[in-house]
Parts: sequence; structure tokens; C-alpha cells
Amino acid sequence: DTAVSQTPKYLVTQMGNDKSIKCEQNLGHDTMYWYKQDSKKFLKIMFSYNNKELIINETVPNRFSPKSPDKAHLNLHINSLELGDSAVYFCASSEMTQNYGYTFGSGTRLTVV
Amino acid sequence: AQSVTQLDSQVPVFEEAPVELRCNYSSSVSVYLFWYVQYPNQGLQLLLKYLSGSTLVESINGFEAEFNKSQTSFHLRKPSVHISDTAEYFCAVGGPSYDKVIFGPGTSLSVIP
Repeated sequence: DTAVSQTPKYLVTQMGNDKSIKCEQNLGHDTMYWYKQDSKKFLKIMFSYNNKELIINETVPNRFSPKSPDKAHLNLHINSLELGDSAVYFCASSEMTQNYGYTFGSGTRLTVV
Repeated sequence: AQSVTQLDSQVPVFEEAPVELRCNYSSSVSVYLFWYVQYPNQGLQLLLKYLSGSTLVESINGFEAEFNKSQTSFHLRKPSVHISDTAEYFCAVGGPSYDKVIFGPGTSLSVIP
């Protein structure tokens, strides 16, 4: 069983489109995250939810909107995609206290053309 | 605010040679320190962590890291590397007072046969 699963793994789309990435974890963790990894491998946190409540909302364009229907799921919807949105997006989860580290999904490679 | 510096963006090393990947952090309060590994086209995996107690921590595949509070460092070492260790390595800092983990820019380790 995959602990943190993301779909789709690859996403190629045109500028201006709207797309969603889904994430699910079966670890029973309370907290989930979205990270963006750019072409230089730099990782930047975007959002974090704890038990369906938004707790971290970094400086991210309003075109990005996370949704957490329950604590096992965290989806990312992106409106009006731009070329600069091309990146790998990682979902992760952790227990609230961070002590055990994060468990990451395998990533979604988004390419905007 | 926390920050993480990884001085070496790329480290080439011959197979069976020792390696050290450097990590320095900045924080005014107590910290948790992590090393993550990212193999090509995969998500990040927790390699080892320091929370408290013994300053030397080890992973199951032969890596170790030592927390040095006076030098604010958490360098990763392995006495003899294998081809399979080729990957991107990320140092990260969190802590009981912080709501997220901050990742360093990563070090690309290339093991040469």
C-alpha cells in the first residue's frame, strides 16, 4: 500500500487551463502539505492543513487553491496556468509534532506549454 | 527565522570513497534536524533525524550525521559510498516552536564507478 499517493504523476497542459492534483495518505497523519520543487530542485512549502484546517498559506498566487475534504486528502487546484507554474509538486504528510519527519508522495510533474 | 545552507551544490566522489555533505542552519531556538534523500524521479525519503539526546545519529544504510550546536552544523557522512547512493540530499530544519520544516537547496551526490 502506498503511504502517500498523488495523481496524476505527469500533467502536460496549455497556458490558461485549470487543473487539479489529488493527494491521499493512509498513514493516519493529522497534517498534510503541498511543496513545489523548481527546476533547480529547490523545495518551497505552499500550504499545510491540519485535520482539514488551513494552517500554513505561504505567499502563493491566488490561482492556487488547496482543498481538504478530510484529513486523509489534500487536493491542489490551479486556475489559469502559467508557464512559470511548471514544476514538480509534492504532497507530504506528518504527525502534528513533526518529530517523525515528513512522508512524501512521488510527485506530480506539471508542464505548462 | 530558520534557514538552512548546504554549501556544496554538487559532490562527485568515486565508489568506495568517503563522503561528507555539509549542512549549516540558523535558528534562535531549539531545533530538529533532518536529512532527506531524493532518488531520480522519486519523492523525498527521510534518511535520518536529530531530535534530542545523542548528537550522532545513524541511518540503516551506513550514513551518519552529527549535530554540532556550537557550529550550528549537521553534516552527513558515509565512510564508503556505493553507486546506489547517487541522489539529491536535502538537509532540513524544524523544531517544536515551528509549524513547518525548512529545506536546504540540496546537494547532488554523484558516485563515479
